[in-house]
Amino acid sequence: DAGVTQSPTHLIKTRGQHVTLRCSPISGHKSVSWYQQVLGQGPQFIFQYYEKEERGRGNFPDRFSARQFPNYSSELNVNALLLGDSALYLCASSLTGSTDTQYFGPGTRLTVL
Amino acid sequence: QQQVKQSPQSLIVQKGGISIINCAYENTAFDYFPWYQQFPGKGPALLIAIRPDVSEKKEGRFTISFNKSAKQFSLHIMDSQPGDSATYFCAASRGSNYQLIWGAGTKLIIKP
Repeated sequence: DAGVTQSPTHLIKTRGQHVTLRCSPISGHKSVSWYQQVLGQGPQFIFQYYEKEERGRGNFPDRFSARQFPNYSSELNVNALLLGDSALYLCASSLTGSTDTQYFGPGTRLTVL
Repeated sequence: QQQVKQSPQSLIVQKGGISIINCAYENTAFDYFPWYQQFPGKGPALLIAIRPDVSEKKEGRFTISFNKSAKQFSLHIMDSQPGDSATYFCAASRGSNYQLIWGAGTKLIIKP
């Protein structure tokens, strides 16, 4: 079985631009969570979606938004990029959203210049 | 109250030795405490987890010790191997709130 997949692997953008990151969960998993991991730190929770509805939101500005599609894949959108948005963006999928059944993808490395 | 504090920031252990990483939390509502292992270029992978109804959980060479009164938990890696070299994160979450709060990570290097 394929694990959690994320695309693209790496991305370079300039300040003020917009970016869309994509995630495909493990087959059968209905929940997707997004995390931001700045270099040298632990991941910070951004969003969780379950059955296409937002279940949780972390302390991130409105420039960050996400959605989940009928096939349970998900997109994370970030508008008006700042230098501080440079990070590894991780997607995690789980059957029900419970943290004890959560599996992470390899992440998308975003660099903002 | 939402923080999870992890120490040390980095750790070097000889092959065959015991690696110990510690975490402390303040929110007594936390009821799930996982440890994740992350290799460079990869996402974190769940290693072992514990709930507050037990004081210790062992899986192979990995053991979590949990001290509810001190609000601390630790990861012990017995017979540490070079393949264990990675960054380790502790985390915590509570009840129906599925948000994981993560420690800052410990970079572990096992010297052959």
